Amino acid sequence: GENVEQHPSTLSVQEGDSAVIKCTYSDSASNYFPWYKQELGKGPQLIIDIRSNVGEKKDQRIAVTLNKTAKHFSLHITETQPEDSAVYFCAASDYGGSQGNLIFGKGTKLSVKP
Amino acid sequence: DVKVTQSSRYLVKRTGEKVFLECVQDMDHENMFWYRQDPGLGLRLIYFSYDVKMKEKGDIPEGYSVSREKKERFSLILESASTNQTSMYLCASTDVGNTIYFGEGSWLTVV
Repeated sequence: GENVEQHPSTLSVQEGDSAVIKCTYSDSASNYFPWYKQELGKGPQLIIDIRSNVGEKKDQRIAVTLNKTAKHFSLHITETQPEDSAVYFCAASDYGGSQGNLIFGKGTKLSVKP
Repeated sequence: DVKVTQSSRYLVKRTGEKVFLECVQDMDHENMFWYRQDPGLGLRLIYFSYDVKMKEKGDIPEGYSVSREKKERFSLILESASTNQTSMYLCASTDVGNTIYFGEGSWLTVV
């Protein structure tokens, strides 16, 4: 089955700097890669996702890149702000397949220092 | 707005008690999921359901069961709670191929 590895487990940056979180996956059939942000005491919320037919997607200060050959994808946050502090999860799924459930990485705790 | 509601946010139960965690979604989604979240382990799938009265085991189903009598409601049941089931439980729903939406989570402590 699918296995998703996420690095680093913790990341501390200064406000205004960029943050990068990386994930690798094992199942070449995976074709949907979302990123979730979880604030303290809340459930995860989708912030951006990418499907296997594109290599990069941007939404304001957030971007995700996908390298299907190497089976890795990354989250890039530019001009970080204190409100970006949260736990971020990557995930992979063959959503078009028979199951559709996500396999998650173990999460990255991002701290943005003012 | 999309809504997945977990009615119990914080529960404290005794070892051996039967525990029900309820989840309701208002998006007419076919698929619903129960995850467990523990520090350092991320989110692990307990059970999922693709239709009313249908259920499939996830990665860690032992000690849990589920019920889906209506499309909008998916319940997680701990038949006899144990201390190693102390955790945060997350319910989620989606249509196939679409975004998975999570509830706010239920914090369960078993003493």
